[in-house]
Amino acid sequence: EIVLTQSPATLSLSPGERATLSCRASQSVSSYLAWYQQKPGQAPRLLINDASNRATGIPARFSGSGSGTDFTLTISSLEPEDFAVYYCQHRSSWPLTFGGGTKVEMK
Amino acid sequence: EVQLLESGGGLVQPGGSLRLSCAASGFTFSSYALTWVRQVPGKGLEWVSSISAGGGGNTYYADSVKGRFTISRDGSKNTVFLQMNSLRAEDAAVYYCAKSFICIGGRCHYSFDYWGQGTLVTVSS
Repeated sequence: EIVLTQSPATLSLSPGERATLSCRASQSVSSYLAWYQQKPGQAPRLLINDASNRATGIPARFSGSGSGTDFTLTISSLEPEDFAVYYCQHRSSWPLTFGGGTKVEMK
Repeated sequence: EVQLLESGGGLVQPGGSLRLSCAASGFTFSSYALTWVRQVPGKGLEWVSSISAGGGGNTYYADSVKGRFTISRDGSKNTVFLQMNSLRAEDAAVYYCAKSFICIGGRCHYSFDYWGQGTLVTVSS
């Protein structure tokens, strides 16, 4: 099983600041990594597919990078609606796994 | 508009069974794989099971549910099911149904662009 480790667990930032979230895989997942955003009481929302491809309707301030074992989700300038929990997920092999999440909270 | 509507959750005793349903609309049901993901309230996401596109000839399970849960799909009803037997306290969670992002030539990308709102399963005596 591929373990995805997200860091930091919590990121305290102010609107307008840049957020950098990390996801590290225990073995290579190539580019088969997705990022999701989840707000309280809501289902997850796909942000990034295959490491760097923004999903439909996702603002350009969200970007993904990386391959192999190290991945980054960057939010270039935080908007109030971006404060949420973010998860990475690989689709490289079975079983699929999710990272433990990074909470982006308002400072 | 793509919609996924889960139902069937509820309170069940340890050792009991539940059958979850996910009614899909707004896309060509047979063309996409479908997946169940669960989440204990306040905790992270856990993949549970996936079923391939078409007739659902390929099914996949997390080790934690293998042998107890069965995923299936009914193309005539545009519905995917999760039969959960021998339920344990640790199976209690919100169960989400999710649609695969894209399938090309029968090969699906198991990342998920649409999710239902979830159905809560409580396992308690």
